[in-house]
Amino acid sequence: ILNVEQSPQSLHVQEGDSTNFTCSFPSSNFYALHWYRWETAKSPEALFVMTLNGDEKKKGRISATLNTKEGYSYLYIKGSQPEDSATYLCAYTPNQAGTALIFGKGTTLSVSS
Amino acid sequence: NAGVTQTPKFQVLKTGQSMTLQCAQDMNHNSMYWYRQDPGMGLRLIYYSASEGTTDKGEVPNGYNVSRLNKREFSLRLESAAPSQTSVYFCASSEEVGRQTQYFGPGTRLLVL
Repeated sequence: ILNVEQSPQSLHVQEGDSTNFTCSFPSSNFYALHWYRWETAKSPEALFVMTLNGDEKKKGRISATLNTKEGYSYLYIKGSQPEDSATYLCAYTPNQAGTALIFGKGTTLSVSS
Repeated sequence: NAGVTQTPKFQVLKTGQSMTLQCAQDMNHNSMYWYRQDPGMGLRLIYYSASEGTTDKGEVPNGYNVSRLNKREFSLRLESAAPSQTSVYFCASSEEVGRQTQYFGPGTRLLVL
């Protein structure tokens, strides 16, 4: 069974704090790692797709890194704002044709002003 | 360009009733998916369709059936609803299975009494 683990499960920070979360996935048979942002009462929206070891992606104050050899990805948020409050999901794609994304359970971020 | 649409938005069923959740996408995507979201469980894959004419089981297929009616539409049927199927159901699509960004519909909230 392929497992994707995310930590922490939830996180509460103050406005302006920087924070980061971890996604762990099987390091063998890797194809891609996805990050999604999921606001309450909305649908998940894609943030990043990363495929190469050492990949770094950035979107405004949010960035992500990828280490395929050890099987982890970090998502960073710099200077958190209340509008960053959401659940952040990562999903792993194994290098096997026809296999759907395998999602982690997410990290729920709450940012207080 | 509506993206992924789902109907209905909300439904209440009695135990034993049947219903079909509808999903359509207008992005000419090959692959479509059905997920359920439950508290603390993240997104769990019910069924997916890699391409028109094919369907495969996901992590939690029991109690559900699917039909890939054409390239645009992918329906999920509950033949005999149970309280354990109370959940929020999301449909998603991508260019090909597993390897591309998934685009999610707005969700269907289902309550089984």
